Amino acid sequence: SYDLTQPPAVSVSPGQTAKITCSGDKLGDKYVSWYQQRPGQSPMVIMYQDSQRPSGIPERFSGSNSANTATLTISGTQPMDEADYFCQAWDSHTHVVFGGGTTLTVL
Amino acid sequence: QVQLQESGPGLVKPSQTLSLTCSVSGDSLSSGDFYWTWIRQFPGKGLEWIAYIYYAGNTYYNPSLKSRATISMDMSKNQFSLTLTSVTAADTAVYFCARRGYSTSENWFDPWGQGTLVTVSS
Repeated sequence: SYDLTQPPAVSVSPGQTAKITCSGDKLGDKYVSWYQQRPGQSPMVIMYQDSQRPSGIPERFSGSNSANTATLTISGTQPMDEADYFCQAWDSHTHVVFGGGTTLTVL
Repeated sequence: QVQLQESGPGLVKPSQTLSLTCSVSGDSLSSGDFYWTWIRQFPGKGLEWIAYIYYAGNTYYNPSLKSRATISMDMSKNQFSLTLTSVTAADTAVYFCARRGYSTSENWFDPWGQGTLVTVSS
């Protein structure tokens, strides 16, 4: 099966840049999506096709994907960005794969 | 604005069958532009894709659940459903329905329903 690996937790100070990684074999050959899930809410897509932001997602969110790692970058992190973040890709065998999720703490 | 809403029992006994329904508003299941999807989230926060269905009847399942899961749709009610047989405590999770684009390059999920917690316990 195809696996995506994320760090369980990332901490960042307000106003600083947070980077959340997602690793998988030849992940750069696949499209990666990112989801934000605030406590008590459903996941919400914040990045698709590696680096495309849906309407309404702030410009401080950006994405990249190369080789074996996709990265979600949050510039000028705000307290409201504190949430769980999940990466997701499509695999020809299992179809949909999610990373284990990263809890972002802004402190 | 597309909205999805899950419904179903919150408690299921071990070995029984879990049945959930997703009601869709603001879009038609027969539009042909999307896959309609079930995803679950375990108490430890991990997400697992279960299955999706296309209006023409095409269905795709997570290989790990294929023998127990069935996804179906009722276009007259604009609803799609999930049944999961022989449940155990490991199937305890929040179950979400979601929409996914049709092409393999449109493989993100948006929007998601609010989710419904299903607990498997005697």
